[in-house]
Amino acid sequence: QVQLQESGPGLVRPSETLSLTCDVSGYSISSGYYWGWIRQPPGKGLEYIGSIYRGGRTDYNPSLNSRVTISVDTAKNQFSLRLSSVTAADTAVYYCARLQLDFDFWGQGTLVTVSS
Amino acid sequence: QTVVTQEPSISVSPGGTVTLTCGLTSGSVTTSHYPSWYQQTPGQAPRMLIYSTNTRSSGVPDRFSGSFLGNKAALTITGAQPDDECDYYCVLYMGSGISWVFGGGTKLTVL
Repeated sequence: QVQLQESGPGLVRPSETLSLTCDVSGYSISSGYYWGWIRQPPGKGLEYIGSIYRGGRTDYNPSLNSRVTISVDTAKNQFSLRLSSVTAADTAVYYCARLQLDFDFWGQGTLVTVSS
Repeated sequence: QTVVTQEPSISVSPGGTVTLTCGLTSGSVTTSHYPSWYQQTPGQAPRMLIYSTNTRSSGVPDRFSGSFLGNKAALTITGAQPDDECDYYCVLYMGSGISWVFGGGTKLTVL
């Protein structure tokens, strides 16, 4: 069974960079699929942030493109999200997921609050 | 900018049948969008119910089914149960620009 687990700081200061990591077990990232990030502000809907393929090809939501970087570490079987210049609007539960044409496995999510 | 549309809220009686839809502000939803549907209960991660329009994920009861309804993708729940009361999201694969777009979600009430 594929399992994903997000980790990272739960509090980030405004204007700083949010950094999260997703550890994958039960499947080797280098074997295929895209690996992505989705977020959900409190009480609101889901938003696709971006994704990365095993070879490093990335796909980003244009609304966040200039602030987002997703990278992969196949040796550790994990991938990461960096979101720069955060504001309160970036406060959300951040999920990592495995995706191809759909999102079949999800992490449990981690709440990141942007506040001074 | 294309937006994926869903009914904000829908109610159904226990045991009843309900259909949720997933559309586009511009154009029709087709098989090329590979519509998928997700169920999210409070405090939990979304769970995939349906992918590629009408294929049920492993372990999903057959009272959940996917199809097209006119120019939209549709999720039908037959014999709604109280546990079905939660939020439902659709996702469309757009292929370029922004590859995946989520709908705003539908809050289903079973009463």
